Amino acid sequence: QKEVEQDPGPLSVPEGAIVSLNCTYSNSAFQYFMWYRQYSRKGPELLMYTYSSGNKEDGRFTAQVDKSSKYISLFIRDSQPSDSATYLCAMSGGAQKLVFGQGTRLTINP
Amino acid sequence: NAGVTQTPKFQVLKTGQSMTLQCAQDMNHNSMYWYRQDPGMGLRLIYYSASEGTTDKGEVPNGYNVSRLNKREFSLRLESAAPSQTSVYFCASTAGLGTDTQYFGPGTRLTVL
Repeated sequence: QKEVEQDPGPLSVPEGAIVSLNCTYSNSAFQYFMWYRQYSRKGPELLMYTYSSGNKEDGRFTAQVDKSSKYISLFIRDSQPSDSATYLCAMSGGAQKLVFGQGTRLTINP
Repeated sequence: NAGVTQTPKFQVLKTGQSMTLQCAQDMNHNSMYWYRQDPGMGLRLIYYSASEGTTDKGEVPNGYNVSRLNKREFSLRLESAAPSQTSVYFCASTAGLGTDTQYFGPGTRLTVL
């Protein structure tokens, strides 16, 4: 079983919809949780960063961490075609390495 | 600043050939990483270098070697390429710990026939 599980999708929604992307993990030592966005044929870029449990909001994006359930989420409000990308969750216990999920491919249809 | 650069962008090899993927960063970062990305597999760590002069294995190191040439440059070598190494390879760097933001290069698309 992978340390981090993420539904690879693909996920296709209409413009303006609320999108929910999720990851589960098994390692209780993970404390740092990130979401990276990767456009087609580009390298990933950090989108959101959360430490421990709780919520973090940045514009249309909200990241949630529930350590008791070992579950993290990324919500996108008022989704736009420019949000079409692959979203990768990543997490770390504070050591040198990140563990990535498989990535969810998201398409926002105009 | 260019950030993280990778060369080449594309490469086609025959089974058994060797090649080196180059990575350089101009952000004065201490740590550098090599990942491979395959469909449905996410990013898997091949090797990383926490600081100049050190390298460590990641999740999938078999068939690869690395060299941290200096603080800026971190190369990945395939000594005898195999079709299973067909993938997109990304280099990344961070200022320090793995919990810091990782900055990725544009990737190298490698096909091994």
